[in-house]
Parts: sequence; C-alpha cells; structure tokens
Amino acid sequence: AQTVTQSQPEMSVQEAETVTLSCTYDTSENNYYLFWYKQPPSRQMILVIRQEAYKQQNATENRFSVNFQKAAKSFSLKISDSQLGDTAMYFCAFMRYSGGGADGLTFGKGTHLIIQP
Amino acid sequence: DTAVSQTPKYLVTQMGNDKSIKCEQNLGHDTMYWYKQDSKKFLKIMFSYNNKELIINETVPNRFSPKSPDKAHLNLHINSLELGDSAVYFCASSQAAPLHTQYFGPGTRLTVL
Repeated sequence: AQTVTQSQPEMSVQEAETVTLSCTYDTSENNYYLFWYKQPPSRQMILVIRQEAYKQQNATENRFSVNFQKAAKSFSLKISDSQLGDTAMYFCAFMRYSGGGADGLTFGKGTHLIIQP
Repeated sequence: DTAVSQTPKYLVTQMGNDKSIKCEQNLGHDTMYWYKQDSKKFLKIMFSYNNKELIINETVPNRFSPKSPDKAHLNLHINSLELGDSAVYFCASSQAAPLHTQYFGPGTRLTVL
C-alpha cells in the first residue's frame, strides 16, 4: 500500500514571497504519477501540477514548480511570487497505474497555506 | 459547460434515511470515482468505475452502493444513513492512459442529523 506524508499542517507567508510545501511518499511501485491539488475555501479540488515518475525533468506550471527526487521519494511544491488567491489547502497525491488502468488517488493530509497581505 | 457536476451541493437529512448523490461528466472520460473527505479534510477513495464496471471498492460499508447507468454518470446511493456518514463527497473522472489525470466535481456536503 502507498502512503503520502505532508509534514507541514499549516504555513503562512507574505504576499510575493516564495514558499515550498513538502511531500514524501512510500511505494514499491515503478509506474506512478504524483500530483498537487489545491482546495480553496470554495472546496473545489483544482489540479495544480502533475509529475510522471518516469520523467526526470521537474514539472512546472507558471509560478508553480516541483522538486521531484525519486530516489528519496520526495515531491515538494514551490510557489513563486505568492498571491492572495493561493491561500488554500494543498494536497499531495499519488496514483499507481498499470496496463489495466489507474488506481484512485492516495492523498496526504494536506497543508493549509495562508498568504498574508 | 461544467466538466464534472454533482447534485445536490448540500444535503441535510435524518439518521436512518436513504439518499443519493448524482454525478455527471461531459469530458468523455472512461473512469469515474467517488471520494470521501472527512471533517479533518482527509480525502479517501471509495469507489472507481471504468466503462460502467466496478474496479475499485475500498473498505466501505455496504450501505454505500455506486451505480453507473452509463459511462458519463456515476451515482452514489447511501442507505440507513448514520451520523458518521457526514462528510463532503467528491466525484471525479479521468481519461485513459497515458494521462490519467483526475478532475473533480464541486463536492456534496452531506450532513446527517
């Protein structure tokens, strides 16, 4: 079974600062994806970024980037130039896949990120 | 043109009642899921359906039964509701390989009194 650990229950930074959210996971699988989802107060689950485990290059999406360290089973999210709208719960998630399809997502417990004006 | 929709968004009911939550996706995805988010915000997979066939059934009480009338719909029926069933329930869908990315509905907040 897979486990995902987010060790920071809450973080608070000033607007425009850079912040890094940590995530570690445990698996014996070779074929998997990793994701970061954002859940603002509206409760909608919004995909932030995804990383295929077979790719060495770290994924980036505008101000969001990841540091994927496969050997260390680490998958941190960096948010640059943070904005008030980035305030949300951030969930790290793991998904195994095979020829038969993909499993459901295994989530960490989340990090509540607060961007202060 | 909502991608994944759920109805209702809020559901308040008494213990012992039976209720359903509906989910529809217009993304043409093959796989649909139900997740439960508890009061501490922890999200856990409940069910997964691929082309109307159940492929994941985590340890969920058999009072919960998913029903998929077609590839675009996955409904969740809950019988004999209990206080502990109070949670937010999310439907999600994903496309087939190679992407598999899951897209979520807006969630249904279920409150059992």
